[in-house]
Amino acid sequence: SQTIHQWPATLVQPVGSPLSLECTVEGTSNPNLYWYRQAAGRGLQLLFYSVGIGQISSEVPQNLSASRPQDRQFILSSKKLLLSDSGFYLCAWSVLRGASPYNEQFFGPGTRLTVL
Amino acid sequence: QKEVEQNSGPLSVPEGAIASLNCTYSDRGSQSFFWYRQYSGKSPELIMSIYSNGDKEDGRFTAQLNKASQYVSLLIRDSQPSDSATYLCAVNSFNKFYFGSGTKLNVKP
Repeated sequence: SQTIHQWPATLVQPVGSPLSLECTVEGTSNPNLYWYRQAAGRGLQLLFYSVGIGQISSEVPQNLSASRPQDRQFILSSKKLLLSDSGFYLCAWSVLRGASPYNEQFFGPGTRLTVL
Repeated sequence: QKEVEQNSGPLSVPEGAIASLNCTYSDRGSQSFFWYRQYSGKSPELIMSIYSNGDKEDGRFTAQLNKASQYVSLLIRDSQPSDSATYLCAVNSFNKFYFGSGTKLNVKP
């Protein structure tokens, strides 16, 4: 069965500090990978998605970046955090079922980031 | 801009009643549709997916899709207090998923 891991689970960082969040998926090959942010009481905002190693699409221009160094590893980074970067960061994966567009998405446990 | 709209609620129903959650979407090219349940402080959990017009039933859950009206709904029969959560509607369009802001459901014992 497939599992997705994220770490750390919680993080408190000062403004201006760097950030690195990691996500890994087990039990599947060549997944699509996604980073979302959920602000308190809000919906999910798609930040980045990747269909393969080194292939990153950015949905929201901001001070965050993403990388996919391995097939099942997805990293979210920032050089300098802002107060507005606080939120619940979720990694997700999906796999196409053959040639169909029927593509279910599953989430990791998330990282709760507080920027002070 | 592809939008997914949900009533934020809260929707309050008594235990044992049917809870009805609704969602509309703007992109006619959307290919698949999902309902997620999110408990407070936790990540979303996929509970239903639907791809074609009509109803799809899974236990106490029924998803309904009407592509002509761009409308998706979720019915929860025999609602339990453990169903109290925020329900997120999501649509998929060419590998991207778009989420509504969620409807908070309260099931009162």
